[in-house]
Amino acid sequence: EVQLLESGGGLVQPGGSLRLSCAASGFTFSGSAMTWVRQAPGKGLEWVSSISGSGGSTFYGDSVKGRLTISRDNSKNTLYLQMNSLRAEDTAVYYCAKDFTFFGVWGKGTTVTVSS
Amino acid sequence: EIVMTQSPATLSVSPGERATLSCRASQSVSSNFAWYQQKPGQAPRLLIYGASTRATGIPARFSGSGSGTEFTLTISSLESEDFAVYYCQHYNNWPRTFGQGTKVEIK
Repeated sequence: EVQLLESGGGLVQPGGSLRLSCAASGFTFSGSAMTWVRQAPGKGLEWVSSISGSGGSTFYGDSVKGRLTISRDNSKNTLYLQMNSLRAEDTAVYYCAKDFTFFGVWGKGTTVTVSS
Repeated sequence: EIVMTQSPATLSVSPGERATLSCRASQSVSSNFAWYQQKPGQAPRLLIYGASTRATGIPARFSGSGSGTEFTLTISSLESEDFAVYYCQHYNNWPRTFGQGTKVEIK
């Protein structure tokens, strides 16, 4: 069964950092592009970042460029999102999803709250 | 950035009725287009990709149509489990963008 499991969310102060992880199983991780999508409380879905299967290509939304960094460790079947210089508007549930076109597999999400 | 605009924001429908949801792209996305369903407290679920191809396990009452800038999701006969929020998304270029969502509620 294809599964994605996010972890690493929590409460962080403005300007702080956090690293999210997404553990993948049930498919050939290195052969699949991956994506982070977020959803602020009561709001819609926002694409955040995507990475190719090799990790050689990365893509970012304008609102996170320069502050959030997507990466992957194919030996550990794990996707990461390093979040620096966090702002209140980064408060959201962060989902990892398989592929970078349409998203057929999603994790359950991890919640990030940026607040003092 | 391609802006995806969904209408209506809320659709009130009785069970058994037909629901028609629309999404417009600010420029052509060809057929690089998807629909998702999201229920409270759950991750989104892929319904349609390629504008009209149902994802695995999606019931036949869900159908998608359109290309270019105008897209439609039709639910032929609403069942109780279909009351949810629906999002459109393009994947024609970067950045990927979603519509703001249409809430389908019980009339």
